[in-house]
Amino acid sequence: EAGVAQSPRYKIIEKRQSVAFWCNPISGHATLYWYQQILGQGPKLLIQFQNNGVVDDSQLPKDRFSAERLKGVDSTLKIQPAKLEDSAVYLCASSRGGTNEKLFFGSGTQLSVL
Amino acid sequence: LAKTTQPISMDSYEGQEVNITCSHNNIATNDYITWYQQFPSQGPRFIIQGYKTKVTNEVASLFIPADRKSSTLSLPRVSLSDTAVYYCLVGVGGSYIPTFGRGTSLIVHP
Repeated sequence: EAGVAQSPRYKIIEKRQSVAFWCNPISGHATLYWYQQILGQGPKLLIQFQNNGVVDDSQLPKDRFSAERLKGVDSTLKIQPAKLEDSAVYLCASSRGGTNEKLFFGSGTQLSVL
Repeated sequence: LAKTTQPISMDSYEGQEVNITCSHNNIATNDYITWYQQFPSQGPRFIIQGYKTKVTNEVASLFIPADRKSSTLSLPRVSLSDTAVYYCLVGVGGSYIPTFGRGTSLIVHP
């Protein structure tokens, strides 16, 4: 079974530029998550999708971050404009979406904002 | 949403058994307990999940007392490759919002 695919693996941009991350979840997984992980901290949930609907986006900085999962499969997370404090690893995860389903994570995109 | 508390860090030596305890005093009746492991430059990986008593798989054991206000992840005979951060999560599926704390950084020494 193929895992969660993310790209790019690394990205370096300057502040105020825009950036986009892509995630392809495991086939058949209804729930997709985007997490932000700052060095030394645990992953922080930014947004959770159930199929193509948003379950929770309470911690998504909506003035600069946006995410979509239009066809209920792959997803993109965008930052515009980026700030220095956005430097982090952006992790995508997916699950079947049922009760107590475990999360499967991709390797993440490491973003450096200079 | 049940909050979890874990030690920030632990040290051990190869071949020893390591026990990491997670406190979750306000766990709800339907909540399950799930542990993840994260290596540097990788996303977290599911280790084990349980509801009560004891669960064991090829990687670890999970001990949950009757009151379910805490749980202990047990790693038998650790090796250097078990050096990682371990996270305890509490909740159920459906409307569950998987929330990670800072986790426990385990360092295994030769």
